[in-house]
Amino acid sequence: GAGVSQTPSNKVTEKGKYVELRCDPISGHTALYWYRQSLGQGPEFLIYFQGTGAADDSGLPNDRFFAVRPEGSVSTLKIQRTERGDSAVYLCASSLSGSYNSPLHFGNGTRLTVT
Amino acid sequence: AQRVTQPEKLLSVFKGAPVELKCNYSYSGSPELFWYVQYSRQRLQLLLRHISRESIKGFTADLNKGETSFHLKKPFAQEEDSAMYYCALKASGSRLTFGEGTQLTVNP
Repeated sequence: GAGVSQTPSNKVTEKGKYVELRCDPISGHTALYWYRQSLGQGPEFLIYFQGTGAADDSGLPNDRFFAVRPEGSVSTLKIQRTERGDSAVYLCASSLSGSYNSPLHFGNGTRLTVT
Repeated sequence: AQRVTQPEKLLSVFKGAPVELKCNYSYSGSPELFWYVQYSRQRLQLLLRHISRESIKGFTADLNKGETSFHLKKPFAQEEDSAMYYCALKASGSRLTFGEGTQLTVNP
């Protein structure tokens, strides 16, 4: 079956612009995660959804970052007033329930470049 | 706060040689430890988790609470094992904390 899908795969934007990154999780997965991976680093947690609600948003770096999952399926990560330091690969993952026995399934990521 | 350390960014071995990828963690509670792998041009995927005590693709990892380590081992490396390996820890809640990763290259 289809895995986690992320669009676009690449996004180039100018400093100060607004961007939206989309994640389509595996059908039926209630848990959804956003991670950010900078060059040479491991993935860094941003936010976790259980259903429609953000169960843990403590990883969002500042109020320029916001994410939604209005119907408990597709999620959108929104970044306002982008800065060059936001350049990274943004990874989305989903799991069946968010519990230990529910492994994370990752998407291919969106590579964001802020010029 | 939890932290995962992978001291080697790069590791190179010859085919058939043993390989050990090191992972150390800091966490005051009982952690859940994982190894994730990313092959070239593929997405990040789960390799194994400590509680399952499983061997996947010949790899094993033992949680050593005394040394706070979760090293990944394989007795005979294969060229197809070349990939980026990430150690990850799940403390409280559902978030994973990843190490910086080790790029393993298995030479013919």
